[in-house]
Amino acid sequence: EVQVVESGGGLVQPGGSLRLSCTSFEFTFSDFWMDWVRQDPGMGLEWVANINQDGSVKNFADSARGRFAISRDNAKNSVYLQMNSLRPEDTAVYYCARGGKLHAFDVWGQGTLVTVSS
Amino acid sequence: QSALTQSASVSGSPGQSITISCTGTNSDVGGYNYVSWYQQYPGKAPKLMIYEVTNRPSGVSNRFSGSKSGNTASLTISGLQAEDEADYYCSSYTSASTPYVFGSGTKVTVL
Repeated sequence: EVQVVESGGGLVQPGGSLRLSCTSFEFTFSDFWMDWVRQDPGMGLEWVANINQDGSVKNFADSARGRFAISRDNAKNSVYLQMNSLRPEDTAVYYCARGGKLHAFDVWGQGTLVTVSS
Repeated sequence: QSALTQSASVSGSPGQSITISCTGTNSDVGGYNYVSWYQQYPGKAPKLMIYEVTNRPSGVSNRFSGSKSGNTASLTISGLQAEDEADYYCSSYTSASTPYVFGSGTKVTVL
């Protein structure tokens, strides 16, 4: 089954760091852009960042630029989101999603909860 | 980058048709045919329902259809069923510094 699975969420203090991982299954990972999208509990969706097939192009939301980094390891079929200088407003469920030339997100993980609180 | 504007809630009776609107600007919805729609049940991940304004992925019911006029995109659900009760989000590619923007979400209630 084509799927992506996130991990790495948890409770972190303001100013702290966290690294999220996303591993893909049953598709050629290196053929696709990969994206991160987050959702405040009970709120809407916010696009966070993406990375192209070979990792040479990276884009970030204004809220993430300068604090978050995205990377991928095609040998491990995985994409990562390194989050630094975390703020309470970064509290959300973070979803990994498969992107691409259709500019739509067609495969989503189950999400991993990040809570930023003292 | 502001979220695309969606009505907070829409309701309908089984069998009826409903339409959800998604309003943006010339820099996103109006400027590109890259509008997509997502269905989300509580506690679950979003599911792609429509891409490139009008296209349905394999496996999505043909009761779901998309359209666009100017800066407003629409998702129509025909033959409304109880299982369609969920939150729906639109998304668009954008020329802004953030390449994608989502709508504020619409809660669909089946009466």
